[in-house]
Amino acid sequence: AQKITQTQPGMFVQEKEAVTLDCTYDTSDPSYGLFWYKQPSSGEMIFLIYQGSYDQQNATEGRYSLNFQKARKSANLVISASQLGDSAMYFCAMREVSMNTGFQKLVFGTGTRLLVSP
Amino acid sequence: NAGVTQTPKFRVLKTGQSMTLLCAQDMNHEYMYWYRQDPGMGLRLIHYSVGEGTTAKGEVPDGYNVSRLKKQNFLLGLESAAPSQTSVYFCASIPGFGRVNTGELFFGEGSRLTVL
Repeated sequence: AQKITQTQPGMFVQEKEAVTLDCTYDTSDPSYGLFWYKQPSSGEMIFLIYQGSYDQQNATEGRYSLNFQKARKSANLVISASQLGDSAMYFCAMREVSMNTGFQKLVFGTGTRLLVSP
Repeated sequence: NAGVTQTPKFRVLKTGQSMTLLCAQDMNHEYMYWYRQDPGMGLRLIHYSVGEGTTAKGEVPDGYNVSRLKKQNFLLGLESAAPSQTSVYFCASIPGFGRVNTGELFFGEGSRLTVL
């Protein structure tokens, strides 16, 4: 079963507008963390934002905010006032604990490619 | 401040050849990970390590071996490369997970491997 689902292969937005990138997750662990990473065309992975499952408020980092709806198991990324430099691939990820070993790792979604137009 | 360094950055192999990717981190991190990235499939975990001398299988371990003889180094080996292993490989590390640790992964720049 897919642990992290990103249903939007591509999204388009005009500069200065807001855009929401969808992410749903599946876990039975009461303690988990959700992450968003950005990958520009140069290829590096850039950490954007983190939300813990027990955090009462939605996480925000500058123009990025995470719309965390626990009951719906969704963790959508909202980018306000889009800029041309926001054009990139965006990955949602979840911290997962192995049932067998107790080791922790991040599992990633398939990504959403965002294109910001002038 | 090097962070996480991967070598080599690019490599072309012929089917059946072997090679080793090296990941080095200078942050004294406990956890290290190897992912592969393929178009439309996101990042998939190959193997990971939670400390020196300890490794575990991830989602797609077949065809790969790993070793963590020193805390700062995590090696990914391909004993007999196949075209299906053509991919971009990312190494990542983290100090450890805890209640106050966000769990953010520190990534290397990636290694592009082509198997002909």
